[in-house]
Amino acid sequence: AQSVTQPDIHITVSEGASLELRCNYSYGATPYLFWYVQSPGQGLQLLLKYFSGDTLVQGIKGFEAEFKRSQSSFNLRKPSVHWSDAAEYFCAVGQMNRDDKIIFGKGTRLHILP
Amino acid sequence: NAGVTQTPKFQVLKTGQSMTLQCAQDMNHNSMYWYRQDPGMGLRLIYYSASEGTTDKGEVPNGYNVSRLNKREFSLRLESAAPSQTSVYFCASSDLNTIYFGEGSWLTVV
Repeated sequence: AQSVTQPDIHITVSEGASLELRCNYSYGATPYLFWYVQSPGQGLQLLLKYFSGDTLVQGIKGFEAEFKRSQSSFNLRKPSVHWSDAAEYFCAVGQMNRDDKIIFGKGTRLHILP
Repeated sequence: NAGVTQTPKFQVLKTGQSMTLQCAQDMNHNSMYWYRQDPGMGLRLIYYSASEGTTDKGEVPNGYNVSRLNKREFSLRLESAAPSQTSVYFCASSDLNTIYFGEGSWLTVV
């Protein structure tokens, strides 16, 4: 069965510091992978997605993620965080053209220190 | 440019009452989903529908029923609400590339 693990419930970084949020998945075939962000009281916004091809994908707001098949990981990175990046981040896995079930991780809440 | 529209946005129910959350999308997507979001639990899939006329259980289907009325609409029904169903509910639809979410429905069961 497919699953997503985000090992870090909370992460705190200083403004301007680099960021890496971890995501590990379990899936029986080549997965579709997503990162979403949710600000307090808001809906979910797609940051980036991976389907195939180049394993380093660029997203909005300066985020990128790298797909590593050997490690079953899809970690999200940003070289320099801004206070406005404080939010909850969700990794998701699925495959739209198969059983269409998209499963999300439990999320990582990012806190930014001034 | 409506996208995914879900109603109501806020609802308070008494234990044992029933209600239906409505969801409609105008993007001609085949796939639609219902998730619930609870603190520390992320988004958990309740039910999904890969196409009109089909529905499948997700991770937490107990206590819920769904209807894929047509290609546009996918409703979620709570037959006898329980306090454990207090949550934020998100409807979503997808094409082959992206999932699109509604704005969420805040449901409180007292």
